Amino acid sequence: DVKVTQSSRYLVKRTGEKVFLECVQDMDHENMFWYRQDPGLGLRLIYFSYDVKMKEKGDIPEGYSVSREKKERFSLILESASTNQTSMYLCASATSEGEQYFGPGTRLTVT
Amino acid sequence: GENVEQHPSTLSVQEGDSAVIKCTYSDSASNYFPWYKQELGKRPQLIIDIRSNVGEKKDQRIAVTLNKTAKHFSLHITETQPEDSAVYFCAARPPPGNNRLAFGKGNQVVVIP
Repeated sequence: DVKVTQSSRYLVKRTGEKVFLECVQDMDHENMFWYRQDPGLGLRLIYFSYDVKMKEKGDIPEGYSVSREKKERFSLILESASTNQTSMYLCASATSEGEQYFGPGTRLTVT
Repeated sequence: GENVEQHPSTLSVQEGDSAVIKCTYSDSASNYFPWYKQELGKRPQLIIDIRSNVGEKKDQRIAVTLNKTAKHFSLHITETQPEDSAVYFCAARPPPGNNRLAFGKGNQVVVIP
C-alpha cells in the first residue's frame, strides 16, 4: 500500500509568518505534487516535483515555494502567510503509470 | 493547457438507482483519465482509471467509459448505496509527462436511502 503522510492535520498561523508543510511518501515515487483545495474550486496545483531538486510551477504558484532535497520528502513553503492562503493543502505522489495517491491533508488557517 | 469540466455539479439519486457523471476534456493528446472519490473530511482516493487505448473499464459496481472522438469520459455507478455519497473528481493527464493531472471541479453525489 502506498503511504503518503503530511506533517500536520491542522495548523493555525499568523499573517506574515513563514509556514512549512511537509509531505513524505514511502514508495520511491519520482513525482510529487502540492495542491490546495477550496470549496467550489476543486484541486488546484501549486507546484510539483519530478525528481530530487527538480520542481515546476503549477497553476497557482504565487506566494509559495517548494523544496525537494530527498526523494521521499516534498515541502511546501509559504514565505509570508496571508489570510487568502487559508485552505486545505493536499500532497500527492504518483507512480510511473500516473496514479496519484494523496496524503490526509493539512487544514491551514491564517489569522 | 488541459481543461477538464464535470457535469452535473450535484447529483441526487435514490438508493439502488444508477448514477452517471460526465467529464469533458480539451486536449486530444491526453492519455490517462482517473476518477477520485472524496468522502467528507477524507483524502481523495483513486477508484478507477482508464487509458486512451481502452474504451471501457469495469470494477464491480463502477465503470468508466471513454469517447476519444468527443473528448469525454463518464463514471457509472450501479446499484448505488449510501456509502457512495461523496464528491467525485475526474482528471486528465496531458503530455508531455511528469504525471501532472488536470482536475475537474468535482461532483457532489448524494444517495438518498
